[in-house]
Amino acid sequence: AQSVTQLGSHVSVSEGALVLLRCNYSSSVPPYLFWYVQYPNQGLQLLLKYTSAATLVKGINGFEAEFKKSETSFHLTKPSAHMSDAAEYFCAVSGRNYGQNFVFGPGTRLSVLP
Amino acid sequence: KAGVTQTPRYLIKTRGQQVTLSCSPISGHRSVSWYQQTPGQGLQFLFEYFSETQRNKGNFPGRFSGRQFSNSRSEMNVSTLELGDSALYLCASSLDGLYGYTFGSGTRLTVV
Repeated sequence: AQSVTQLGSHVSVSEGALVLLRCNYSSSVPPYLFWYVQYPNQGLQLLLKYTSAATLVKGINGFEAEFKKSETSFHLTKPSAHMSDAAEYFCAVSGRNYGQNFVFGPGTRLSVLP
Repeated sequence: KAGVTQTPRYLIKTRGQQVTLSCSPISGHRSVSWYQQTPGQGLQFLFEYFSETQRNKGNFPGRFSGRQFSNSRSEMNVSTLELGDSALYLCASSLDGLYGYTFGSGTRLTVV
């Protein structure tokens, strides 16, 4: 069975500061890993995905994440936070077969302080 | 190109009623998945359809059902609504159901 944990349900950073959102996964097989962002009253937007190519994955809006198999982690980072980054962030894991569903983490709400 | 379209955006229903939600995938996408999002349970997988066949199913009661049409549009139905069914229902589509999913904006269902 697969599972995802996200440390910190709420993270606050100052504008211009480093953003670090933590994600750890559990999977019996090598997974695919994803980060999604959700703005209020919106669906989910894909930030980036790991599908077993490079372990450092770059996504949209300046975000990146590094897959560390030894730590079963896929933490999301951004060097400099912007006010528009305030949103809910979800880490997700899926299997590598067709039709595999996402298992989402509980989410981390990011607040950006001026 | 147009994204994933979910209709309606908002719904209010009474306990015991049934409801049908609609999802139009991105053109050419053949896989459609449905998720329920609630504050208490987070995002949970309902089911996935590919070429009109249910290929994967989550752990929800039989009151939750879905189908997919030949044009890949999908509907989900919830019968005998309960207060706990109040949620944001998200649809996602993909070319083949591997990993390139795009989500719609969701239908917010409120059961009173």
